Formats: sequence, structure tokens, C-alpha cells
Amino acid sequence: EIVMTQSPATLSVSPGERATLSCRASQSISSKLAWYQQKLGQAPRLLMYGASTRATGIPARFSGSGSGTEFTLTISSLQSEDFAVYYCQQYNNWPRTFGQGTKVEIK
Amino acid sequence: EVQLVESGGGLVQPGGSLRLSCAASGFTFSSYAMGWVRQAPGKGLEWVSGIGGTGISAYYADSVQGRFTISRDNSKNTLYLQMNSLRAEDTAVYFCAKQHSGNGVVDYWGQGTLVTVSS
Repeated sequence: EIVMTQSPATLSVSPGERATLSCRASQSISSKLAWYQQKLGQAPRLLMYGASTRATGIPARFSGSGSGTEFTLTISSLQSEDFAVYYCQQYNNWPRTFGQGTKVEIK
Repeated sequence: EVQLVESGGGLVQPGGSLRLSCAASGFTFSSYAMGWVRQAPGKGLEWVSGIGGTGISAYYADSVQGRFTISRDNSKNTLYLQMNSLRAEDTAVYFCAKQHSGNGVVDYWGQGTLVTVSS
């Protein structure tokens, strides 16, 4: 099973600032990486797949990069609605596995 | 508009069974792989099971292999998860998931149904 490790566990950011979230795979997954956003009490929402392709309706302030084992999600200027938990997920191998999440909170 | 509506969750004793259903609408159901993802209270996400559009191919997490069975009825646009020999660690919100291009990326999620395994 591929283990996905996200860092940091919690990120404190002021509105308008940039947030950088990291995700590491225990073995190479090419670009088979997705990012999701989950707000309290809601289902997750797909942000990114293929490591860097934004899903339908996702604003351009969200960007993704990386390949192999190291990946990054960047939110260029945090808006109030962006404070949430973010998960990465690999889909190179079964079982599909998620990281443990990064909580982005208001500083 | 894509809609996924789960039902069938509830309280069940350890060792018991439960069947979850997911009614899908707003897309050509038989053309898409589907699946179930769960989230234990206060925890992260776990892929439980996936199934291809025709229902022939199915995949399971090791934690549920041999106890859970995924299936679909394309004539009813409905996805199922039969859960047997339930354990306390199966307690979670179970989300119905529509896969993007059958690759395990979830582009649409249901609102989730809570399964509680407790005596």
C-alpha cells in the first residue's frame, strides 16, 4: 500500500496570504495525484487531479505541482472560504490512499 | 446536475449486517465507475471499494475484503454496499463516490450516511 504523508498537519495563515501544502508518496505515483477540500460537516470537494489540473469550477488561485513522490498545493491568496481541511490522494495503485490531511486555519 | 443520495445507514451491533444504497441522477450512470469512501469520526478519508461501470470489476480495501460487497443496478441507477460481519472500527460516515474517468478520482460525492457499530 502506498502511504501518503501530508505536511504540515495545521497551517495558520492570514487572509490574503499564500498557503503552501505538501504531500509525499512512499513510492513514485507519476502524476496520479488528486487534492480535495473538506469543510466541517460537508463532503469533500475535488480541487485538482493529475497533480496540476484544476477540476471544474475551481478558482485559479489554486495550483498544484509535482510528480513522482513530492507534490504541492498552493493557494495564492487565501479567501475566507478556503479555510478547511485539504487531503491528497494517490490513484496510481489500488488501494487508492489518502493523506491524513492538512488543516488550514485563520491566523 | 449530478446528485448522489445515500441511504441505509444506522446503528448495528458488532457482527451484524447493513446494506447501503446510493441513488444517482444527473449523469449516465452506467458509463461511470463508482465507489464508497468512508470517514471515521474526526478522522481522515479511506477508500473502501470501487466498481466499474458494467459492474464486472470490483476492488476492496484490505480492511473490508471478504466482509463487504459492492454492486450496482444500472437499470435503477443505484449503487450498493453490502456490509457483513461489522466491527466497531467500521463506524464511519460512508460517502457514495462517482469516479472521474474510472481512475479513482472522485469528482462528485454524496452527502454521506452514518454507520455506527456498537452494542
